[in-house]
Amino acid sequence: GAVVSQHPSWVICKSGTSVKIECRSLDFQATTMFWYRQFPKQSLMLMATSNEGSKATYEQGVEKDKFLINHASLTLSTLTVTSAHPEDSSFYICSAGDQAGGPLGTDTQYFGPGTRLTVL
Amino acid sequence: RKEVEQDPGPFNVPEGATVAFNCTYSNSASQSFFWYRQDCRKEPKLLMSVYSSGNEDGRFTAQLNRASQYISLLIRDSKLSDSATYLCVVTSYNNNDMRFGAGTRLTVKP
Repeated sequence: GAVVSQHPSWVICKSGTSVKIECRSLDFQATTMFWYRQFPKQSLMLMATSNEGSKATYEQGVEKDKFLINHASLTLSTLTVTSAHPEDSSFYICSAGDQAGGPLGTDTQYFGPGTRLTVL
Repeated sequence: RKEVEQDPGPFNVPEGATVAFNCTYSNSASQSFFWYRQDCRKEPKLLMSVYSSGNEDGRFTAQLNRASQYISLLIRDSKLSDSATYLCVVTSYNNNDMRFGAGTRLTVKP
């Protein structure tokens, strides 16, 4: 299947700093990528939809000025957590669809390995 | 009410057991349904899609009941390697709006 990478895989930072997470589709192009957040023992929650060449679409309750998303190319989306605080500590996962069409004629979403963020 | 609800678990079963997970969804317009498996501290990986006619992949059987807005996953002859969290996922359109259940933790013991 298609491969999605994320970098870094884990990061520890001080409160108040900004952290950038990259999501890359390695062998396919993705006009749309998705960013999720997962707190311990909870499910993934969609944060935003990243659209190549246009503004991201944020889910209700997600601050767009705090979680900056840039989708500069068809293979790269970045999520920047600005002025991170301990409550932002979480597992951040991106996904991308290969747009090749699965059995139902729909995209298959492939997930990156995730980035574990710890804010001290 | 959550969009996707799953059995809270955890399920602790012996090797060889048969175990079933249930999932209900609230959006009647949902179009595609999946079961994902997530190992501890790893990303979710697609286990199988779920079709109205039901589908089977080896020891795994998935069922969908659109009228009841209910999805199930049956695992037969459980293996130690089946230990993971199983996520029920529902999408509304073209897989571009995935909603996850909270997951059900399965532990298969020797």
